[in-house]
Amino acid sequence: EAQVTQNPRYLITVTGKKLTVTCSQNMNHEYMSWYRQDPGLGLRQIYYSMNVEVTDKGDVPEGYKVSRKEKRNFPLILESPSPNQTSLYFCASSPRVGVYGYTFGSGTRLTVV
Amino acid sequence: SQELEQSPQSLIVQEGKNLTINCTSSKTLYGLYWYKQKYGEGLIFLMMLQKGGEEKSHEKITAKLDEKKQQSSLHITASQPSHAGIYLCGADGFNDYKLSFGAGTTVTVRA
Repeated sequence: EAQVTQNPRYLITVTGKKLTVTCSQNMNHEYMSWYRQDPGLGLRQIYYSMNVEVTDKGDVPEGYKVSRKEKRNFPLILESPSPNQTSLYFCASSPRVGVYGYTFGSGTRLTVV
Repeated sequence: SQELEQSPQSLIVQEGKNLTINCTSSKTLYGLYWYKQKYGEGLIFLMMLQKGGEEKSHEKITAKLDEKKQQSSLHITASQPSHAGIYLCGADGFNDYKLSFGAGTTVTVRA
């Protein structure tokens, strides 16, 4: 089944403890991106990647890192999580920007205490 | 990045009635997407519009993009409980590769 898989689905962590949220797609998509969704603020893009080894900042990149060493994987790294990073996170992928739709993962609900 | 305004913010409709959601852009839309989200869950792709005047339908949902490519509408005919959820419009940037979203419209369908 073609899909975007995020792990974990739920995570509670403490301030300052490094964590990684994984994202993997099995559709050979070139484009991948990360979003956070917060009440009243909607979906905001954190980082995106046009292809392997090509990443760029979205609208809210502060406090996050990403890497794209393989086409299928696009992990989101929080080096030192803070409570304001408590949010619902989504990973998405697309064959090509502006040509096809985006497939979203099921989401990761992160709580930083 | 694009700024997208959705209206209304929420609406309640009686089962069987029609409803319309609007999405307005501050810039010309390069690609416009409609998604549906159940609360706290992932986004389900509904439709993509690219050309001015384009209209697409899937089951009872129709989306249109105006000729100027700055406004889109999503219309649901004869709403059902399965249509309840949050509808989001998204758009690619014209000169960048950022995907922006509207704040969403929460639809409640009353039996």
